[in-house]
Formats: sequence, structure tokens, C-alpha cells
Amino acid sequence: NAGVTQTPKFRVLKTGQSMTLLCAQDMNHEYMYWYRQDPGMGLRLIHYSVGEGTTAKGEVPDGYNVSRLKKQNFLLGLESAAPSQTSVYFCASRASRLGEQYFGPGTRLTVT
Amino acid sequence: GENVEQHPSTLSVQEGDSAVIKCTYSDSASNYFPWYKQELGKRPQLIIDIRSNVGEKKDQRIAVTLNKTAKHFSLHITETQPEDSAVYFCAVSSGTYKYIFGTGTRLKVLA
Repeated sequence: NAGVTQTPKFRVLKTGQSMTLLCAQDMNHEYMYWYRQDPGMGLRLIHYSVGEGTTAKGEVPDGYNVSRLKKQNFLLGLESAAPSQTSVYFCASRASRLGEQYFGPGTRLTVT
Repeated sequence: GENVEQHPSTLSVQEGDSAVIKCTYSDSASNYFPWYKQELGKRPQLIIDIRSNVGEKKDQRIAVTLNKTAKHFSLHITETQPEDSAVYFCAVSSGTYKYIFGTGTRLKVLA
């Protein structure tokens, strides 16, 4: 039981490049989330999904897109990376509306 | 919208002393209040949570208290140890799909 995994762990992009971050969970959770974590700003919600085939915007969605074609996977895309998107990205999943969120190990992204 | 304020942003205590971190929230419909611990370079992990029908919950050296009238809840760590050094986040949920996280408290336990 791997829990929540994220790929890749580290990435350096040039401004304007695109990339996709992959999150996978093997706990059969309905709800999945993408957060970004910046120094002094806590965890800010980018997008979330309440089930396969559904996505919704969070607090800071601009510049990101997501897809959840399979229940176990939640993809975060950056179409044209900007230096302001330099951050640590965490994926999380949860079984129900109230309860523990399980986080992935994070992806450290640097945009130069 | 929902808002969560967390204080203090940094906290230093001597080993063996107690530490208290407080969060206030704005949405009176909030009914779930978890606390997460994040060690340096690691992922956040749940350490304790409380629901709105309970005023206090304890787990060994960690406790959380909730005051729904005043809309605040606190994390209490007693007999602090060096391994308690980390960043602690509170969060609030009103039963929707989202949590709102506080901005975090960096706790340093001095040996």
C-alpha cells in the first residue's frame, strides 16, 4: 500500500515550458487535491476533484489545469510555466468529506 | 468566505515546556478541525483532529481544545521534545470538499 505518490520529485523548467505532475493514490479515495506551498503562505488549494471525471477550481487556479480520468490519478498541468509558479506542490486525497487528508511527498518545481 | 488565522508564526520553547498554537476561523458552519505536522522537507501529516460536537481531545502529549462560541481552537503540546520541532498547520472544514489551512507555526524546541 503506497498511499499517495507523486511524479516527479524535482523539476526545473524554463519560462514558457509546459509539464504535467502526476498524483496517484491506491486507497480508493473519492476526493483528491492539488496544493502549492510557498514560504510563509501555508498550503493553498489550486484545484480539487470530488470523483472520477470531475474537477473544480480552488483558491489559486490561474495558470494550471487538471484532469481526473481515472479515480486513482489526478494530473496537474502547467501549460506555460512562469517564475511565479516556482513552489512545492503537494497532492492529497481523502476518503470522505470529513476526515484525514493524506499527502503525497511533494514535487519541488523551479521555473527560471 | 472562510478565513483561518493562525498564531504565532514562530514559537521557541525550552525542552520540557508546553507549547500552545491558536487558530481562529470565521465560518460558523465549520465542523471539523484537524492539525497537521510538517517536518523539514517532508509531507504534512495529521497529528490530531476534533469535531464540532467535542470540546477537547487528547492523545498522549498532544491535545486540541475547541471554543465554538469564540470560533477558535488550539493545539497544546506538553513536555516538548526536540522531535516536536516542525511546522504545524491548523485547518478548518465546514463539511464541503475543501479544507482551509492556516499559514503555519514554526515550533523550535530548544535542548
